Amino acid sequence: AQTVTQSQPEMSVQEAETVTLSCTYDTSESDYYLFWYKQPPSRQMILVIRQEAYKQQNATENRFSVNFQKAAKSFSLKISDSQLGDAAMYFCAYRGAQKLVFGQGTRLTINP
Amino acid sequence: DVKVTQSSRYLVKRTGEKVFLECVQDMDHENMFWYRQDPGLGLRLIYFSYDVKMKEKGDIPEGYSVSREKKERFSLILESASTNQTSMYLCASRETGRPTNEKLFFGSGTQLSVL
Repeated sequence: AQTVTQSQPEMSVQEAETVTLSCTYDTSESDYYLFWYKQPPSRQMILVIRQEAYKQQNATENRFSVNFQKAAKSFSLKISDSQLGDAAMYFCAYRGAQKLVFGQGTRLTINP
Repeated sequence: DVKVTQSSRYLVKRTGEKVFLECVQDMDHENMFWYRQDPGLGLRLIYFSYDVKMKEKGDIPEGYSVSREKKERFSLILESASTNQTSMYLCASRETGRPTNEKLFFGSGTQLSVL
């Protein structure tokens, strides 16, 4: 079975600084997607960024980028120029043939 | 805009009650999912459905059942609520056939307390 592990329950960063959230996964599949979702206090899950496993190039979305290391099964999220609105729970997720599997989540705090 | 609606934001029930959590999506998506979210455990899949009247067990189906009589509605049923089912429940839907647009659309969650 596929598993996703986020080893950092909490992280904090100063406003305008850069922070990296870690995620590792385990799978025997060769074709899959990886995601980072953000859950602010409103509880609405928001897709931050998506990476297709067959693509070697790391995905970027404005201030958000990933470091995808397929051989190491690692998928970290880098947030540049952190803003107060980035404060939220962040979930790493894996989707293979069928279901989507989530990690435990990392609570990110932004210090003004 | 895309919308997934969960009928209740907060719900308080008694042990042994039958509980229905409703989820409606307006995007004509085939796939729908129910997750529960607990601190330190992330989101865990309870059940999912590929289409009307179809259902598949997720990772933690015990104590739950589902119903999908219409494409837009996916209901989660707690046959006899127990205190260990106190949790946040999230519904999601997903479009199929468009890998470049792969994403889940989530509802705002139902915080269920079983007393």
